[in-house]
Amino acid sequence: EVQLVESGGGLIQPGGSLRLSCAASGFAVSVSYMSWVRQAPGKGLEWVSLLYSGGIKHYKDSVKGRFTISRDGVGNTLYLQMNDLRADDTAVYYCVRNQDFPYYIDYWGRGTLVTVSS
Amino acid sequence: DIQLTQSPSFLSASVGDRVTITCRASLDTYSDLAWYQQQPGKAPKLLIYAVSTLQSGVPSRFSGSGSGTEFTLTINSLQPEDFATYFCLQVHSYPLTFGGGTKVEIK
Repeated sequence: EVQLVESGGGLIQPGGSLRLSCAASGFAVSVSYMSWVRQAPGKGLEWVSLLYSGGIKHYKDSVKGRFTISRDGVGNTLYLQMNDLRADDTAVYYCVRNQDFPYYIDYWGRGTLVTVSS
Repeated sequence: DIQLTQSPSFLSASVGDRVTITCRASLDTYSDLAWYQQQPGKAPKLLIYAVSTLQSGVPSRFSGSGSGTEFTLTINSLQPEDFATYFCLQVHSYPLTFGGGTKVEIK
């Protein structure tokens, strides 16, 4: 059974850094396409970043240069390193698995809340 | 960016009703569109991908149709477990984008 469990969220001050983790089971992160998707309070879903099985990375423009997606094949974990956090990064962050091209999302985690506030 | 506009945002219906939700794209997404269901407190669930292909295990009362920039999700004979929020996703181009969601409530 495919499972995705996010952790690492919390309250952080503007300009701070946070690393989210997503522990995967039931499949191998190292050969999969994986993304992070977020949802700000009362807002719609927003794709943040996608990591190809081959290592190519794509990012939403507003997080380029601040967020980094990565994975640990040994621990079967996906990460999102978030630097220079802003108030508008406040959201529930979901770890998701994408199918091979054209990258539909087939599994979602329950999400972890990141709150950027002073 | 491809904007996805869902309508309606809220829908009140009764068990047994037929429900239709629309997702309109600002640009042609070809067939690269999916539909999801999210129940409160749960992770979203893939219902339909490639416009009309039912994900394994999804009841046949769910169906999808459309092309180009206009797509629909239809639920035939609404069941109690179908009261949830539904949203569309386009994966044709980056950034991947979502519709705003349609909440289906019990009348």
